[in-house]
Amino acid sequence: GESVGLHLPTLSVQEGDNSIINCAYSNSASDYFIWYKQESGKGPQFIIDIRSNMDKRQGQRVTVLLNKTVKHLSLQIAATQPGDSAVYFCAEPKGPNAGNNRKLIWGLGTSLAVNP
Amino acid sequence: EAGVAQSPRYKIIEKRQSVAFWCNPISGHATLYWYQQILGQGPKLLIQFQNNGVVDDSQLPKDRFSAERLKGVDSTLKIQPAKLEDSAVYLCASSNKPSGLTTGDTQYFGPGTRLTVL
Repeated sequence: GESVGLHLPTLSVQEGDNSIINCAYSNSASDYFIWYKQESGKGPQFIIDIRSNMDKRQGQRVTVLLNKTVKHLSLQIAATQPGDSAVYFCAEPKGPNAGNNRKLIWGLGTSLAVNP
Repeated sequence: EAGVAQSPRYKIIEKRQSVAFWCNPISGHATLYWYQQILGQGPKLLIQFQNNGVVDDSQLPKDRFSAERLKGVDSTLKIQPAKLEDSAVYLCASSNKPSGLTTGDTQYFGPGTRLTVL
């Protein structure tokens, strides 16, 4: 079946260190992937996305890497700050690659704790 | 730009009671989603609207859940009667593009309503 999952349920890092959050997916036909951040008591917030024809995409302090060979996705956060403490989800669309009837399938999430 | 608004933020009810949640999407966003998020899990789509029409309600438990978006703007989600397993956060999201879900079609989420069923 199709699934999006995360290797590590929790991750604890020191402030200033780099963080790496991993995600495994099973649908090799997915055309793109999204990372969301969810802080306590808030709704998910879009961080960055990547198309399947790319293997790397950079944003502000974040980099997403896509390895289609092993169906693995990672989110790297540089110089992690206390404000980065949240649950991070990877997600992928399910359905035809065009049209309205697509929906996001979300993984379980990784909780990132940043220690001062 | 104002974000997605939801109310109430918290609700506690007893099983078999009814409850309704309200969502006001970002102005101009045609696509509206309702998600259910159980603690520790990712959100699960319940229903997706495009303007006032339903695009996908395949995961909505229609025997007890209903949703409407009569004028294509605000939306309400109702549960009647509630069960213990309905305890979750109900998230509303909106998007300004039809859900082709290609890069850049960001969904903007509200803060959610935390429902506790006793």
